[in-house]
Amino acid sequence: QKEVEQDPGPLSVPEGAIVSLNCTYSNSAFQYFMWYRQYSRKGPELLMYTYSSGNKEDGRFTAQVDKSSKYISLFIRDSQPSDSATYLCALSGGSEKLVFGKGTKLTVNP
Amino acid sequence: DADVTQTPRNRITKTGKRIMLECSQTKGHDRMYWYRQDPGLGLRLIYYSFDVKDINKGEISDGYSVSRQAQAKFSLSLESAIPNQTALYFCATSDPKGYANYGYTFGSGTRLTVV
Repeated sequence: QKEVEQDPGPLSVPEGAIVSLNCTYSNSAFQYFMWYRQYSRKGPELLMYTYSSGNKEDGRFTAQVDKSSKYISLFIRDSQPSDSATYLCALSGGSEKLVFGKGTKLTVNP
Repeated sequence: DADVTQTPRNRITKTGKRIMLECSQTKGHDRMYWYRQDPGLGLRLIYYSFDVKDINKGEISDGYSVSRQAQAKFSLSLESAIPNQTALYFCATSDPKGYANYGYTFGSGTRLTVV
């Protein structure tokens, strides 16, 4: 079983939809959970960060961690065409080496 | 100027040639990383450096070497390029004190094609 599993999509939604992106993981030592957004021809940029379990909200974005199920989610409300990108989850146990999911490609159609 | 600058942005090279990809950063971070990204395989760690004197292999270091010339500079070399090294290469930096809040800072990438 891979350390981090992420459905690569692609995912296509209409503008204004609620988007749910997910990763599952196998290593219970992971404590730091991040989401990166990568636009085409650009490097990934940090979007959201969560420590341990719980929710974190930032504008239209909500990151959720369920350590008991080893499941993390990123929700995007009122999705916009500018949200079209690849979203990567990234996890760490504290050694500062991040383990990345393979990314989910999202397209939001006007 | 970008926090993490990679040069060149694009490169086409021939099989067997030696090539160097360069990365420089203005973040003042000690830790630097080289990743390659391939469709369907995601980001894979090639080498990482926690300071100028500390170089470590990642999961796919075969065929690659690195040099940390200064805190701000970390270069990746392909000694004898082969076609399956065609990929998008990213350099990244992190701050050991702040990483949990700020994560990695990535460069814009180098698209390398080996023909």
